[in-house]
Amino acid sequence: QKEVEQDPGPLSVPEGAIVSLNCTYSNSAFQYFMWYRQYSRKGPELLMYTYSSGNKEDGRFTAQVDKSSKYISLFIRDSQPSDSATYLCAMIGGTSYGKLTFGQGTILTVHP
Amino acid sequence: NAGVTQTPKFQVLKTGQSMTLQCAQDMNHNSMYWYRQDPGMGLRLIYYSASEGTTDKGEVPNGYNVSRLNKREFSLRLESAAPSQTSVYFCASSDHNRAANEKLFFGSGTQLSVL
Repeated sequence: QKEVEQDPGPLSVPEGAIVSLNCTYSNSAFQYFMWYRQYSRKGPELLMYTYSSGNKEDGRFTAQVDKSSKYISLFIRDSQPSDSATYLCAMIGGTSYGKLTFGQGTILTVHP
Repeated sequence: NAGVTQTPKFQVLKTGQSMTLQCAQDMNHNSMYWYRQDPGMGLRLIYYSASEGTTDKGEVPNGYNVSRLNKREFSLRLESAAPSQTSVYFCASSDHNRAANEKLFFGSGTQLSVL
């Protein structure tokens, strides 16, 4: 079993829809949780970053972490065609110094 | 404002050939990493360098070697390429002097095919 599980999709939604992306994990040591966005033929770029449990909002994006359930989510409100990309969850614990553990990535397409 | 620069962007090798992937960052970051990305596998860490002069193995180091040439540059070498090394390779860097030290900045990748 992988430490981090993410539904690869693909996920296709109409413009304006609310999108929910999710990851589950098994390692209780994970403390930092991230979402990266990766456009086709590009490197991942950091989208959201949270520490421990709770919610964090940034514009149309909301990241949620539930450590008790070992579950993290990324919500995208009012989705736009420009949101079409692969979304990767990533997490790390303790003093692992950037040795992130990534989910497999979810391919999202927002169609006009 | 280049960030993390990788060369080459594309490469095709024959089995047994060797090559070096180059990576340079201009953000004065201490730590650098090499990841590979395969369909259905996400990103997996090959090697990392926490600071200049140090390197350590990641999750999938077999068949690779690295060199932290200086603070800016971190290269990945395939001594004898195998078809299983066909992948997209990403270099990344981060600054552990900051509180949020797990923020990685990635290059645009090298697409490698081994025939």
